[in-house]
Amino acid sequence: GAVVSQHPSWVICKSGTSVKIECRSLDFQATTMFWYRQFPKQSLMLMATSNEGSKATYEQGVEKDKFLINHASLTLSTLTVTSAHPEDSSFYICSASLAGETYEQYFGPGTRLTVT
Amino acid sequence: QKEVEQDPGPLSVPEGAIVSLNCTYSNSAFQYFMWYRQYSRKGPELLMYTYSSGNKEDGRFTAQVDKSSKYISLFIRDSQPSDSATYLCATEEGFQKLVFGTGTRLLVSP
Repeated sequence: GAVVSQHPSWVICKSGTSVKIECRSLDFQATTMFWYRQFPKQSLMLMATSNEGSKATYEQGVEKDKFLINHASLTLSTLTVTSAHPEDSSFYICSASLAGETYEQYFGPGTRLTVT
Repeated sequence: QKEVEQDPGPLSVPEGAIVSLNCTYSNSAFQYFMWYRQYSRKGPELLMYTYSSGNKEDGRFTAQVDKSSKYISLFIRDSQPSDSATYLCATEEGFQKLVFGTGTRLLVSP
């Protein structure tokens, strides 16, 4: 149980275009979903926290207008990287937590974004 | 100072060795501590979590927290090549907000 999927697993896009990444909880309802970014040989950095039906809460330094997060249902959250630039190239990972669980987050397999 | 510090490694050991992975943290208010395993180009997988100080054992894995020294450890007994991965320690900074170490890459050779 507690499986989280992401789509696509990798994507290449041109500079200036937008790309959408989907995160789905397959066998549970996730009241909260999280988006992380991981650069090579670096740790996961939390970008934003989203609750179903609410606006996402962004971490300091993360541009909310550039990284659009939508959490329209209890099983789906999307991250849209708008006007992507090469420095946005990274590994984006989502996670989801069950209602009431604070420490236990289930992570997706990640999406590798390369902006050329 | 980073909130969670972890030696990036790599740590290379022969199969069957006991592995010790460690992290230090800065905020004495942290209560929950987690260890995640991450294979290359995959998302992290929760291995163990502990609350406050003490030990917790699960099969070949033992997690240990020493709050007095702000030190957390993960021990792997009888290490296997399949244990080769990056191990991330994490703590909960606030409600559902996890703070991760940089991860230690472990290589177990047959």
